[in-house]
Amino acid sequence: EAGVTQFPSHSVIEKGQTVTLRCDPISGHDNLYWYRRVMGKEIKFLLHFVKESKQDESGMPNNRFLAERTGGTYSTLKVQPAELEDSGVYFCASSQGGSYGYTFGSGTRLTVV
Amino acid sequence: SQQGEEDPQALSIQEGENATMNCSYKTSINNLQWYRQNSGRGLVHLILIRSNEREKHSGRLRVTLDTSKKSSSLLITASRAADTASYFCATTEYGNKLVFGAGTILRVKS
Repeated sequence: EAGVTQFPSHSVIEKGQTVTLRCDPISGHDNLYWYRRVMGKEIKFLLHFVKESKQDESGMPNNRFLAERTGGTYSTLKVQPAELEDSGVYFCASSQGGSYGYTFGSGTRLTVV
Repeated sequence: SQQGEEDPQALSIQEGENATMNCSYKTSINNLQWYRQNSGRGLVHLILIRSNEREKHSGRLRVTLDTSKKSSSLLITASRAADTASYFCATTEYGNKLVFGAGTILRVKS
């Protein structure tokens, strides 16, 4: 089966611009998570979707970040406007839930200059 | 809350040596997982140990869990240059979200 796919793999944008990251989970996985690792620090939870609903968005840093999951399939994470401190690696993961483990995508490296 | 704090923060060893990384956490857990991140890219799941397990092996990896001390260790035996990466432990909180520590940067010199 295909894994979790993220794109772009790398994005370089200027401060103030908008960037949209996309994650395609494993087919049939209701749970989709976004995490990020900023400036080489710890990996932090951003939010959790169950199908198309936001189950937990407690980790979203501010209102410049908007996540959607259309029809419970792929998800997008939009940063608008991007700031320098948003640079880092953004990870997406999906799972069937319960005791099943996660599968992570290969991440999107975002560089804001 | 901060969980899964690793030590050391950085570790440099010669190829063939063993590498041990430690992780401590604060709250009760159902399981603890270890992940690897290569070259600032994707996270790869290495191993999961449940709270009722004390030790688990997978290839050259050995994980121990001490719930009384709220700590875990990851041992990589006979290290290879390809093991160079950042290693993270993670615990699971409500909603199955993972809480990661700061990670250990492992460098294996050939």
